[in-house]
Amino acid sequence: EAQVTQNPRYLITVTGKKLTVTCSQNMNHEYMSWYRQDPGLGLRQIYYSMNVEVTDKGDVPEGYKVSRKEKRNFPLILESPSPNQTSLYFCASSFEGNEQFFGPGTRLTVL
Amino acid sequence: GQSLEQPSEVTAVEGAIVQINCTYQTSGFYGLSWYQQHDGGAPTFLSYNALDGLEETGRFSSFLSRSDSYGYLLLQELQMKDSASYFCAVNRDDKIIFGKGTRLHILP
Repeated sequence: EAQVTQNPRYLITVTGKKLTVTCSQNMNHEYMSWYRQDPGLGLRQIYYSMNVEVTDKGDVPEGYKVSRKEKRNFPLILESPSPNQTSLYFCASSFEGNEQFFGPGTRLTVL
Repeated sequence: GQSLEQPSEVTAVEGAIVQINCTYQTSGFYGLSWYQQHDGGAPTFLSYNALDGLEETGRFSSFLSRSDSYGYLLLQELQMKDSASYFCAVNRDDKIIFGKGTRLHILP
């Protein structure tokens, strides 16, 4: 089954404790992306990747890091989370960025 | 700047037709996409307009006019399960920009 998986689905953490949210896709997509979704603000792109070892900033990259060492995986790293990073996070993949498949989402709370 | 404008809410009656508009102030993008998101769920892809004109997929159609900086999603024969949020999005230089979404309420 074609899918994008994210882990964990829910996470409560404390300010400053490094965390990683994993994302994996099995569709051989070149393009992968991370979004955060906040009430009233829609989906905002954090980082995207056009292919292995190629990453670039989206609209809201501050406080986040990503890596793309393998085509299928695109982890999101918060090195020092802060409460303003409390949000719903989605990973997505596609061939060129236009018909994206989304993961189920990760709800992150930073205390 | 770059932004896409959508109405925040739209209400329609079951069985009717509804149009959700998306206007934008950005140029040089590859096309306009539409996504549906039910409460508690992830966005799912509905349609993509690479070129101006109408694209039809079952009960859903999408339209793009670059000269008017405007697009819309048309939902026909509305069903209660169509109650959801709808987002338009553009791909500009590989960066994806989403509108803030339109909440569609359907009355029986």
